[in-house]
Order: sequence, then C-alpha cells, then structure tokens
Amino acid sequence: NAGVTQTPKFQVLKTGQSMTLQCAQDMNHNSMYWYRQDPGMGLRLIYYSASEGTTDKGEVPNGYNVSRLNKREFSLRLESAAPSQTSVYFCASSGGTGGYGYTFGSGTRLTVV
Amino acid sequence: DAKTTQPTSMDCAEGRAANLPCNHSTISGNEYVYWYRQIHSQGPQYIIHGLKNNETNEMASLIITEDRKSSTLILPHATLRDTAVYYCIVRTANTGNQFYFGTGTSLTVIP
Repeated sequence: NAGVTQTPKFQVLKTGQSMTLQCAQDMNHNSMYWYRQDPGMGLRLIYYSASEGTTDKGEVPNGYNVSRLNKREFSLRLESAAPSQTSVYFCASSGGTGGYGYTFGSGTRLTVV
Repeated sequence: DAKTTQPTSMDCAEGRAANLPCNHSTISGNEYVYWYRQIHSQGPQYIIHGLKNNETNEMASLIITEDRKSSTLILPHATLRDTAVYYCIVRTANTGNQFYFGTGTSLTVIP
C-alpha cells in the first residue's frame, strides 16, 4: 500500500549514543516533515524539507540533523542522544496542489536512558 | 500561520452527532482549515479541509462560518472507534508550508 514508512518502530538508546531514523514515501510527494510528540502533548515540528535538496528548521530543531537523501527519503539523526529526546517521532509527506494535507507514518518510539 | 483554539475535551454518546468547534479568529484569506485526528498514539489521520464553503466527505462534514473565524467538524454518527484527539489547523495551500499542531480536542465516545 502507498504511504509513509518509518524504521525502526521502537528503539532504546543510551545517553550519548547516536542513531538515524529513516523515513520513505512512495507517493511522489515533494515535501517531507519530521515531528516529535511527547506524552500528552501535540506534535511539534523538528525539521522539514519543502522539496528535494532543501531542508529547514521547525519549532524544535536543537539536537537533530536531517538529510533529504532523494525525493523519497528523509532521515532524522540524533548525534548524541539525551533523555529529553525520549519521544514518539512521526514522519509525514505532502504533495500536490489545492490544499493537500499530510500523510503520516506510524511513528518511531524512542527511549533514551 | 494563524492559531486555533479548541476545547480540551468532549464526550459524545455513541450513535449521536459529535460537533467539535474550533476558533481561528486571525485566519488569513488564503488559509485553509484542516482537521486531523490521532487515535491512541498512531500517526495523525487526515479528515477534511476547506477554505470557505462547507465540505463533506465519507468521514465528516466541515462547517465554516461566513466570516471564517470559526468552524465545526461534525461526525454524523459517532462510533467508539471515533474516540481520538482531533486537531484543527489553519495554513496556506502551498505544499511546502508546514502544519503546526496544538493540543487538540480529546473526544470520548461513550457507549
């Protein structure tokens, strides 16, 4: 089925470790986004890529880096994980014109101990 | 992007219509109203969007006031599976523009 695929689904890291969250979409969408959601909170935008080759900071970019590898893939990297980065991470994509919305992935649940 | 205001929580009896309000008094002329929902930590799911006219699809109806300062999402016959957090968001139609989510309305459908 067409959509947004995130890997891994679950991850436990020790403080200071690094990892990359992967996201891929097969809908030929131009724009891709990374959000985090802390318990009981709404989603907050970390980084986004309006089109292939561009990336921009969102509301909470500190501690993260991103790479728009190609039109399909948008990865999120934690260089030195901290307990404050324990969260659920969602990737989304959007495309088309006329007010199209987002398609979200199922999320990556990250715990930093 | 304009900000939105939603009630924190609402209850609705199963089988009845659920009416979820949203205020967006500072909305600009080129900003759409979008509704998403999130069921128990899954990825948010698109429901419906509109600019100025009322909209209806297989999931819900969206009623936008004439001055566009508020809107209501209507789930015509709520089921237990509609229990979720519902987010009202306004933004322009440009595909590069990002959504900013608030904390939404937690809807509980009661048997």
